[in-house]
Amino acid sequence: DAGVTQSPTHLIKTRGQQVTLRCSPKSGHDTVSWYQQALGQGPQFIFQYYEEEERQRGNFPDRFSGHQFPNYSSELNVNALLLGDSALYLCASRRQVVGGYTFGSGTRLTVV
Amino acid sequence: AQSVTQLGSHVSVSEGALVLLRCNYSSSVPPYLFWYVQYPNQGLQLLLKYTTGATLVKGINGFEAEFKKSETSFHLTKPSAHMSDAAEYFCAVSDPANTGNQFYFGTGTSLTVIP
Repeated sequence: DAGVTQSPTHLIKTRGQQVTLRCSPKSGHDTVSWYQQALGQGPQFIFQYYEEEERQRGNFPDRFSGHQFPNYSSELNVNALLLGDSALYLCASRRQVVGGYTFGSGTRLTVV
Repeated sequence: AQSVTQLGSHVSVSEGALVLLRCNYSSSVPPYLFWYVQYPNQGLQLLLKYTTGATLVKGINGFEAEFKKSETSFHLTKPSAHMSDAAEYFCAVSDPANTGNQFYFGTGTSLTVIP
C-alpha cells in the first residue's frame, strides 16, 4: 500500500520563478494538506484541500496556491519565488474527519 | 488559538538511558495531541496520538506519552534509548472541533543517542 507520494524530491529554482509541487495521497484518503518546513523549524500549515476546494488556509501570501484533482491528488504552486521560500514542503493526507495525517517525504525546494 | 512549546531544542542521552522529550501546549479547547519523528531527509512518521480516553498513550518503537491536562503537557518518554532513536521529534496539537484539523507543530527536539 503506497503511502503519500511527492514529486519531485528536490529542485532548484531561481528567485522570481514559479514552481509546482505534486502530491498523491495515500490510498483511501481524500483530504490533502500542505506544510512548509524551514530549516531547523517545525512544519507550518499552508492550506488544506477537500472535495477539490481549499477548506482552510494558514498565514501564507497569495503567491501560494493549490489545486486538488478528482482523484484527490494535489498540487502546490508558488509564484514569484523568494529566497525565503527555500524549505521542505510536506504533503499530508487523511480520510476526512478520521484520524491523523500520513505525511510524505517532502520536496526540498532551494531558491537561488 | 493553539500553540506548542518544546523545551530543549537538543537532547542527548546515553544508549540504554531514559528518553524524556518535553511538550507543553496551549489550547482553548481539549486538544488532540501528536508526536511525530523525522529522520534526516525524510517526512514525518506518527509515533503516537492522544484523542480521547486513556491519558497514557503507547506508540511505536517503545515510546509513550501521557496527557496531563492540569499541566497542559504531553511529554514523550522511552525507558531505554537505542541508537536508532536519534532523530528530530515534533509535538503537534489540533482542535477536534475544527473540521480542517490543522496541526500546529512545535519547533522540534533533536535527539542524540551516545553509544
